[in-house]
Amino acid sequence: EVQLVESGGGLVQPGGSLRLSCAASGFTFTGYWLHWVRQAPGKGLVWVSRIDNTGSSVVYADSVKGRFAISRDNAKNTLYLQMHSLRAEDTAVYYCARGGYHYSFDNWGQGTLVTVSS
Amino acid sequence: EIVLTQSPGTLSLSPGERATLSCRASQSLSSYNYLAWYQQKPGQAPRLLIYGASSRATDIPDRFSGSGSGTDFTLTISRLEPEDFAVYYCQQYGGSPPWTFGQGSKVEFK
Repeated sequence: EVQLVESGGGLVQPGGSLRLSCAASGFTFTGYWLHWVRQAPGKGLVWVSRIDNTGSSVVYADSVKGRFAISRDNAKNTLYLQMHSLRAEDTAVYYCARGGYHYSFDNWGQGTLVTVSS
Repeated sequence: EIVLTQSPGTLSLSPGERATLSCRASQSLSSYNYLAWYQQKPGQAPRLLIYGASSRATDIPDRFSGSGSGTDFTLTISRLEPEDFAVYYCQQYGGSPPWTFGQGSKVEFK
C-alpha cells in the first residue's frame, strides 16, 4: 500500500522558516516524481513544487520561487520542503503527492498544517 | 498559465441522480489532454478519480466517468451514492509548469 506521511508543520512567525518532511513507503521511491500541493483554509488546491526522480530537476510556483526549496533523500525515501521568509498567505495544509499517469497526482499524504502568524 | 474554470460552483442533488460537472481551460490542452479529476471530502486529502481526461484511476467505481478534449471537459457521476457528496477539482498540465487546479465544484444533498 502506498503511504505518504507528512510532518513538520506548525505555527511560525512571519519571516520565519520551517522544513516539512514526507516519508514514503509502499512503492519504489526512485521511480516517481514528487510534488507539494497546498490548500489554504476553506480554499482550493494550489500546486507548489515538483522534483524529479533523482532530485536533479526542480520547479516551483511563482508564489514560492526563491523562498521554498524542494529536495529528496532517496536513501531515506523522504521528500522535503524547506520554507523561508514565510508570509501569512503561506498558511495552508501542505500535501505531498506522488506524480501519476498523464501528469496527475495519484497518491496523497494526509497533509500537515502550516500557520504563519504573529 | 492555463486557468481552469469549473461550473457549477454548487450542485444540489439527491442520491440516485446524475451529476455533471464542467471544467473549461483558458487554452487548449492540445492532443495530450492532461486533465485529471479529484474528489475531496471534509478533513481528507484529495483522491484521484480520473486522469488523461477519461481514464479511471485504480479502484474508482465505474459510475464515475470523464470526457472531453481541447478546452472543455466533463466529469459525470451516473448515479450518486451517499459517499459521493464532496468537492470535486479538475487539474491540468499543459506541457510545462505550473500544474493548475480549478476552483472546485461542490456536490451537496438537495
